Amino acid sequence: QQQVKQSPQSLIVQKGGISIINCAYENTAFDYFPWYQQFPGKGPALLIAIRPDVSEKKEGRFTISFNKSAKQFSLHIMDSQPGDSATYFCAASLGTGANNLFFGTGTRLTVIP
Amino acid sequence: DGGITQSPKYLFRKEGQNVTLSCEQNLNHDAMYWYRQDPGQGLRLIYYSQIVNDFQKGDIAEGYSVSREKKESFPLTVTSAQKNPTAFYLCASRREGGEETQYFGPGTRLLVL
Repeated sequence: QQQVKQSPQSLIVQKGGISIINCAYENTAFDYFPWYQQFPGKGPALLIAIRPDVSEKKEGRFTISFNKSAKQFSLHIMDSQPGDSATYFCAASLGTGANNLFFGTGTRLTVIP
Repeated sequence: DGGITQSPKYLFRKEGQNVTLSCEQNLNHDAMYWYRQDPGQGLRLIYYSQIVNDFQKGDIAEGYSVSREKKESFPLTVTSAQKNPTAFYLCASRREGGEETQYFGPGTRLLVL
């Protein structure tokens, strides 16, 4: 079964708007939560990551909000730009051993001018 | 120029044929991973290796094989037993010792003739 559930599957946002992508997980042993950005035909690239000891992390226009009690985390893209149009994946890792990443199913973001 | 390289970019497989996808990294990373990406399903782990001459099955290892004879190389063979091999294959690597981030290569798209 899917260890990390991601929504929405696709998202269309106006330029300058806020894009919000949500993820939920069940395994409370997860302790590392990265977001990856993938352009068509390319490999995913790490965008931003968070650990459960903080509720928010911001890097430029990208912010992760983390709600440990609800077992949810989300990516907010402020002032969305057409260049942000890509597929975004959330993931979770146990943080020990092989550090296998469990990925969400992805959100295709389209930012229209 | 450090990074992960995958070759070829496109690969065509005939019925009953085994094909091998190459993955090389010069990041001096210990762990390497192979993922399969299908539309709407995110990334699924095929095999991973934490050290030379050792590797473990992931969630969808059937029909695939790997080897890890050198630290920098982790080739994936798609065997004839894999009945639905058409997908985008991604290789990733990670440095051991507390670093959880996985870095991805550009991917290989495998198509069946």
